[in-house]
Amino acid sequence: QVQMVESGGGVVQPGTSLRLSCVASGFTLSNHGLHWVRQAPGGGLEWVALTTSDGSYIHYADSVKGRFTISADISKNTLHLQMNSLRSEDTAVYYCARESESFDIWGQGTMVTVSS
Amino acid sequence: QAGLAQPPSVSKDLRQTATLTCTGNSNNVGNQGAAWLQQHRGHPPKLLSYRNNNRASGISERFSASRSGNTASLTISGLQPEDEADYYCSAWDSSLSAWMFGGGTKLTVL
Repeated sequence: QVQMVESGGGVVQPGTSLRLSCVASGFTLSNHGLHWVRQAPGGGLEWVALTTSDGSYIHYADSVKGRFTISADISKNTLHLQMNSLRSEDTAVYYCARESESFDIWGQGTMVTVSS
Repeated sequence: QAGLAQPPSVSKDLRQTATLTCTGNSNNVGNQGAAWLQQHRGHPPKLLSYRNNNRASGISERFSASRSGNTASLTISGLQPEDEADYYCSAWDSSLSAWMFGGGTKLTVL
């Protein structure tokens, strides 16, 4: 079964760090674009970051540039998002998504709450 | 990064046809086209179509997408209760090197 499963969300204080993981099964991360997309409570979708499986092509949304780092561990078929200097506005459900034909496979999401 | 423009809400009667729009510019929608996603409350998004008019695997023929210039459209025919959801368009912006999402349209089936 083709699926992606996120983990690592939680409640953290502003200024701290969190690392999200997304394990893929039923397919290999190789040869796919891999994304993190977030959705604030009651809000719309916001693209966060993109990497190719080999890390040769990486882009970030302006809102997270310099604070978040996306990476892929092909040996573990896992996508990561290292989030530093977290802010209240980073509170959202974070989804990982595969880009084969656009965003064709999504995880169920993991909730990140940044609050003092 | 400015997003793509979608009407916040659309309401249509059961079995009628709804057309949702998504307006961008020549660097995003007008360049490589748009994808459409459907999201029911509490669930992750689901891909409906990509690059304007390619229907994703397993998606009903009642869903069709098109593009004219910088505006993409999603047409849903024979509306069913299960079509009530939020619909998002998405496109790669070549000038910003960023993926853009529309603000989403909440479709209500009356």
